[in-house]
Amino acid sequence: ILNVEQSPQSLHVQEGDSTNFTCSFPSSNFYALHWYRWETAKSPEALFVMTLNGDEKKKGRISATLNTKEGYSYLYIKGSQPEDSATYLCASGSSNTGKLIFGQGTTLQVKP
Amino acid sequence: NAGVMQNPRHLVRRRGQEARLRCSPMKGHSHVYWYRQLPEEGLKFMVYLQKENIIDESGMPKERFSAEFPKEGPSILRIQQVVRGDSAAYFCASSPPWGNQVEQFFGPGTRLTVL
Repeated sequence: ILNVEQSPQSLHVQEGDSTNFTCSFPSSNFYALHWYRWETAKSPEALFVMTLNGDEKKKGRISATLNTKEGYSYLYIKGSQPEDSATYLCASGSSNTGKLIFGQGTTLQVKP
Repeated sequence: NAGVMQNPRHLVRRRGQEARLRCSPMKGHSHVYWYRQLPEEGLKFMVYLQKENIIDESGMPKERFSAEFPKEGPSILRIQQVVRGDSAAYFCASSPPWGNQVEQFFGPGTRLTVL
C-alpha cells in the first residue's frame, strides 16, 4: 500500500446501529496514525493519535485499534447517533516532520 | 484559549492576482501546517513550518507558492499569479512544540475562488 486508503467511502446507518470503518496505510517508516472527525462547515477535529502496534483508544462511544505490522486501523462507533454524522478521516504520520498523509475519508450518515 | 484562526474565510481573486492567506496558531503552538483540499479531493499536505523556519515543503507546488511563519505575527501562505486550478479550500493546523506525534488543531479554512 502506497497511499492511505479508507473504506467504505460512505455509510448510511440507522440510529442505534454500531458501525466500523477501515484505514489502510503504508506500514514501512510508520510514525503515527491519526483519526479526525470532520463535520460539514466545521474544522477537522482530532479523535485519536496512535503510535504503538496493538494500541486501542476510546472516547465515549468511539474507539479505534491499530495494527502497524499489517498497516491498518479500525474505527468503531457503538450505538450511532444522528450527531455522529460526519466524515471520518485517518492520516498517517509517515515521517518525522509532522507531515500527515490523509485518506479520502468515510462519510457517515446516521438516520434517526 | 482561542482556536486556530484563519483569515479571510473566503477570498475571490482574478487570474493573475496574488492571494495571501493568514493563519494564527493556537496560543503556545509553534508548529504550523498548511493543507489544501481541491474540489472532490481529500486534504493534501503542503508545508510544515516552525517559527522562522520551513521544515518540510515537499507538498508545495514548485512555482508561485510560498509560505512563511515569522517570529512575530501569523503564518502566511502566498500564491502569486493565481490560476483557476488554485481554487480550493486551504486549511492551516497547529501543534504544540513537543514532538511530531501529537494531534494537529485545524482552523476553519480559507476558501479561495479564482475567477
